[in-house]
Amino acid sequence: AQSVAQPEDQVNVAEGNPLTVKCTYSVSGNPYLFWYVQYPNRGLQFLLKYITGDNLVKGSYGFEAEFNKSQTSFHLKKPSALVSDSALYFCAVSRGLYSTLTFGKGTMLLVSP
Amino acid sequence: NAGVTQTPKFQVLKTGQSMTLQCAQDMNHNSMYWYRQDPGMGLRLIYYSASEGTTDKGEVPNGYNVSRLNKREFSLRLESAAPSQTSVYFCASSFLGGQPLNTEAFFGQGTRLTVV
Repeated sequence: AQSVAQPEDQVNVAEGNPLTVKCTYSVSGNPYLFWYVQYPNRGLQFLLKYITGDNLVKGSYGFEAEFNKSQTSFHLKKPSALVSDSALYFCAVSRGLYSTLTFGKGTMLLVSP
Repeated sequence: NAGVTQTPKFQVLKTGQSMTLQCAQDMNHNSMYWYRQDPGMGLRLIYYSASEGTTDKGEVPNGYNVSRLNKREFSLRLESAAPSQTSVYFCASSFLGGQPLNTEAFFGQGTRLTVV
């Protein structure tokens, strides 16, 4: 079985400050990890993924995520938050190329001006 | 390039009515998925089709059926709608082929279904 935990329902940050959205996972074998963003009344959009290689993954809109195998974490980060980053963020895990994704419950990011 | 298109965008059903949610993708993806999104629950997989001609149950298949009509289209049917099926439904597609990097899913804009 595979699972994802996003421990924070909501993260509040001021514009210009760094942001972190936390994600931990549980999966047998090597994980395939993803972050998606959902803006109001829209479908999910892919941000970035970790398959193998460098533990620091860079993605769209200036986001990055760090894979930490020992802590089974894949936290999403951005050095300087924008108000337009306010959205619902989902972490997801798969245990292989041919396995389906399991999503976390989502974390609402609110960036204040 | 339209991506993943879902119809309808909104629907209200009475308990016991049936309906089919339609999904089509134009990215030549092999795999297609149906998810439901409920507050505090994240996205849960209902059914998926790894390739044309195959379908498999996901985490919450009860009360639903699917048809992979061809490579482009994947429909979700509610035979007898119940209030517990009030949700936002998302269709997604991805390419599980010879290139292992092409594994991210592309999502439609969702169908907001209310069962009264």
